[in-house]
Amino acid sequence: NAGVTQTPKFRILKIGQSMTLQCTQDMNHNYMYWYRQDPGMGLKLIYYSVGAGITDKGEVPNGYNVSRSTTEDFPLRLELAAPSQTSVYFCASSYPQTGTSVHEQYFGPGTRLTVT
Amino acid sequence: AQKVTQAQTEISVVEKEDVTLDCVYETRDTTYYLFWYKQPPSGELVFLIRRNSFDEQNEISGRYSWNFQKSTSSFNFTITASQVVDSAVYFCALHTGTASKLTFGTGTRLQVTL
Repeated sequence: NAGVTQTPKFRILKIGQSMTLQCTQDMNHNYMYWYRQDPGMGLKLIYYSVGAGITDKGEVPNGYNVSRSTTEDFPLRLELAAPSQTSVYFCASSYPQTGTSVHEQYFGPGTRLTVT
Repeated sequence: AQKVTQAQTEISVVEKEDVTLDCVYETRDTTYYLFWYKQPPSGELVFLIRRNSFDEQNEISGRYSWNFQKSTSSFNFTITASQVVDSAVYFCALHTGTASKLTFGTGTRLQVTL
């Protein structure tokens, strides 16, 4: 299993450009997440999905959009890139929460994005 | 509101020293999970441990051990006989609400030198 894969690894965008960060998992996980990690900070949740066709906002959703058409893929869209979106973006997935049982998240390698 | 505090921004130790990384959390939930993740210099996040609020037993896994104390809302992580390969940023995280969402602390950077 490849686990969680993300493309690209690095990207430089100009202000106002758009791009899509790709995320794919092959573990048949229902739950998927997008986080951003700013220097010296922890990870902050951007969007998450509990299954195909279902997405919801996290803590910092402004400036981003997501879609979940399949179980495997969860792309993150930046429409009008701004310098404040310079960050490292991590995609993660997990088995669904069952009752009070919560499973760990598996993370991709990250995408380092710079907006200038 | 859910919150995780890792007050130690950076710790430096010499190899073979023991080191404890602190994690204090806030939640109003009676059922919750706590996690530790490791982020080595390569950048990926590696899962280390999960602990639920009903289980206050300490856990040991090789050189790693975890001390969960609900009375002080803490979930501290100790590395015994540290090694250079332990150099990384360590994150504590709290499960929040539904969909297994996590609230992360700001991380503690551990530097182990020879």
